[in-house]
Amino acid sequence: SQQGEEDPQALSIQEGENATMNCSYKTSINNLQWYRQNSGRGLVHLILIRSNEREKHSGRLRVTLDTSKKSSSLLITASRAADTASYFCATVPPLVFGKGTRLSVIA
Amino acid sequence: NAGVTQTPKFQVLKTGQSMTLQCAQDMNHNSMYWYRQDPGMGLRLIYYSASEGTTDKGEVPNGYNVSRLNKREFSLRLESAAPSQTSVYFCASSEVRLAGGYYEQYFGPGTRLTVT
Repeated sequence: SQQGEEDPQALSIQEGENATMNCSYKTSINNLQWYRQNSGRGLVHLILIRSNEREKHSGRLRVTLDTSKKSSSLLITASRAADTASYFCATVPPLVFGKGTRLSVIA
Repeated sequence: NAGVTQTPKFQVLKTGQSMTLQCAQDMNHNSMYWYRQDPGMGLRLIYYSASEGTTDKGEVPNGYNVSRLNKREFSLRLESAAPSQTSVYFCASSEVRLAGGYYEQYFGPGTRLTVT
């Protein structure tokens, strides 16, 4: 059973545009994590936001968390072709991954 | 540091054959995990080991066994492979879990397994 569910399932944008993807979950969490997966590769951790945090930044990434709505969003600003990948949220506890958003950035 | 390594990278098995997937990490992490990833299903946890000497079932443990050989190594065994076990298998490791939270996980490159 998946706890986190990403939305949209797929997203296609032009290079330089911002990309926003969302994650909804069902039960209380300790923290929420976002991962990136390039085609055929393992997942890479991007950012972790704790339940008592509302927003966090890391380079071109901005993550928000709304525990009242049980949702999180990942914003990638000024996207690049190299950002093309699948993005997964993982809610803790337990550590359960969603099905991912496939992002395509067109040069 | 190599991080998390997995062997083999690819494997084809016939139904009923057995095999062991190997995983090792050099980051001195206490916790290790095995996932499978199927198209459109995201990652599903098979087994995990919170610390050396302990293993626990995840979401989809049936048909698999694991061994935490030492702090570095965590293997996954398929005793009698079935076509439903065709998947990509990922091993991951992390620092020890604290008070219900988890540290970030580090993933290996994966093993693509096909069972015919």
